[in-house]
Amino acid sequence: SAVISQKPSRDICQRGTSLTIQCQVDSQVTMMFWYRQQPGQSLTLIATANQGSEATYESGFVIDKFPISRPNLTFSTLTVSNMSPEDSSIYLCSAYTRNQETQYFGPGTRLLVL
Amino acid sequence: QKEVEQDPGPLSVPEGAIVSLNCTYSNSAFQYFMWYRQYSRKGPELLMYTYSSGNKEDGRFTAQVDKSSKYISLFIRDSQPSDSATYLCAMRPQAGTALIFGKGTTLSVSS
Repeated sequence: SAVISQKPSRDICQRGTSLTIQCQVDSQVTMMFWYRQQPGQSLTLIATANQGSEATYESGFVIDKFPISRPNLTFSTLTVSNMSPEDSSIYLCSAYTRNQETQYFGPGTRLLVL
Repeated sequence: QKEVEQDPGPLSVPEGAIVSLNCTYSNSAFQYFMWYRQYSRKGPELLMYTYSSGNKEDGRFTAQVDKSSKYISLFIRDSQPSDSATYLCAMRPQAGTALIFGKGTTLSVSS
């Protein structure tokens, strides 16, 4: 199994600022993903974090708004840029183990934008 | 039509009841089916995993996949108050791709 930690666990931010969320996995994983979970909604995939190259974004999400880094096999960051109240959500990091069958999730980062 | 449909509930049952949770999907390419449980203020944790069609049992939990009907189910026997959580179905077409989630069903089991 893989244990995923995220920092910060929660934050309250002002409109127009940026927040970087860190994701650390306790073992090497092949795939890492970032999801958003809005109240009453399903988990929505933001992007796949690719090691050493640009992330692959889903429709509706762009790099300028959600820049992602993945410098190695166990670490990734997601930045929420120029935040607005609509960005208030839970942001979840997720990763596959080497056998690519089981996808694990971090505890989430609860973001409130005022 | 969303790719994965799941009734959000809420669903309230007494302790000891059998719970049935369901999802339907539209993409016939989905091959991997999962159920996650999410407690309040926690990340989703994998509960059951099924590849292709069939049944899988683990203790009080049984997962069923009917690909011909594009319908998956999770049954919880002898439900306990500790089962109170949101249950999310998720699926993907092939290994190594990201999961697509249903909206989640909120379950409350009263003692």
